[in-house]
Amino acid sequence: AQSVAQPEDQVNVAEGNPLTVKCTYSVSGNPYLFWYVQYPNRGLQFLLKYITGDNLVKGSYGFEAEFNKSQTSFHLKKPSALVSDSALYFCAVRHVYGGSQGNLIFGKGTKLSVKP
Amino acid sequence: DAMVIQNPRYQVTQFGKPVTLSCSQTLNHNVMYWYQQKSSQAPKLLFHYYDKDFNNEADTPDNFQSRRPNTSFCFLDIRSPGLGDAAMYLCATSRPQGARFTDTQYFGPGTRLTVL
Repeated sequence: AQSVAQPEDQVNVAEGNPLTVKCTYSVSGNPYLFWYVQYPNRGLQFLLKYITGDNLVKGSYGFEAEFNKSQTSFHLKKPSALVSDSALYFCAVRHVYGGSQGNLIFGKGTKLSVKP
Repeated sequence: DAMVIQNPRYQVTQFGKPVTLSCSQTLNHNVMYWYQQKSSQAPKLLFHYYDKDFNNEADTPDNFQSRRPNTSFCFLDIRSPGLGDAAMYLCATSRPQGARFTDTQYFGPGTRLTVL
């Protein structure tokens, strides 16, 4: 079964410091991986995705993610965190086999808190 | 700007009273999704339309129905809302292009449903 795990419920970072939000996946075949951010009482905003090619994917708002096939990880990173980055972050993998083809499988989310 | 719009943003209904949530899009995407998201949890897919083809998730209760009268609009009908149906309901759209399952889903701001 395909799945995605976000091992941290919450990540705390000081403003200006680098941040990492972790994601690991389990899929059959090539993974299609996505990161979304959700601010309070809002929908999900797309940040970036990995389909193929360069392992380092750059996205919106200065975020990037590194695809690591051997570690089955797709961690979200930013070199310098902002207080406005505080939000809920979801990693997702596309379901490519079986009865729910095409569906996004979300991790449980990681709450990022950036303190001034 | 092209976007996904959900109305209303906040909806209050009474236990057992039918309610309809609306989603419209100006992206001209042919796939539209409805998700249910309970407090700080991952979104859960209820169903989706690929053009006019309706695809229901196996565990979506019969209480939830959907209509898509045209490309731009999609409705979520809850026939007899229970207290457990209080949640954020998210609409998303995508346009499959090229390789399968690489398209990005774009989300609306959501409708928060309260059941009294």
